[in-house]
Amino acid sequence: DAGVIQSPRHEVTEMGQEVTLRCKPISGHNSLFWYRQTMMRGLELLIYFNNNVPIDDSGMPEDRFSAKMPNASFSTLKIQPSEPRDSAVYFCASRTISTDTQYFGPGTRLTVL
Amino acid sequence: DAKTTQPPSMDCAEGRAANLPCNHSTISGNEYVYWYRQIHSQGPQYIIHGLKNNETNEMASLIITEDRKSSTLILPHATLRDTAVYYCIVRGDSGGGADGLTFGKGTHLIIQP
Repeated sequence: DAGVIQSPRHEVTEMGQEVTLRCKPISGHNSLFWYRQTMMRGLELLIYFNNNVPIDDSGMPEDRFSAKMPNASFSTLKIQPSEPRDSAVYFCASRTISTDTQYFGPGTRLTVL
Repeated sequence: DAKTTQPPSMDCAEGRAANLPCNHSTISGNEYVYWYRQIHSQGPQYIIHGLKNNETNEMASLIITEDRKSSTLILPHATLRDTAVYYCIVRGDSGGGADGLTFGKGTHLIIQP
């Protein structure tokens, strides 16, 4: 089992640029979560999907953030335009709906200059 | 989800048992106690969970008091690789659609050689 796969692992960009983070959940999992971790705010949920449908996006900080899950094996988190305060580690996690054990990816460390 | 209280940091000698406490005095009858940990620069990792009975798996043991207002995670023979931030999370059973995890600040466990 490859686990949750995220790409890129590191991203450095300049303010105003578009950033796209990618996630491949564990095969057979039908819930997917995006989290953000910063020193100030810790780990916080941004959005989650059940069966590819967004269920709760109340954690998405602004309209600059958007997430999609076009199929069961792929999700993206897009920031457009990016700002320095978006610098953080972004984690993707997946689980089967029937359980509550989430499996996290290695994260993408985003730096916006 | 009920609020949890954990000590910010703890030390433990390598090879000894590490006992991490968690208070959750407002836990309700259908809420589970989950433990995750985050090793530096990695995504959170599920450890164990329980409702009211003590639980044990290959990683740890979970002891929940009879009144369920507190619990203890036990790492029986701590190694240097167990140095991490440990999160105690209380939440209801997902059963098909629970939301994401709410992480507090956790306990930074440092295993001393």
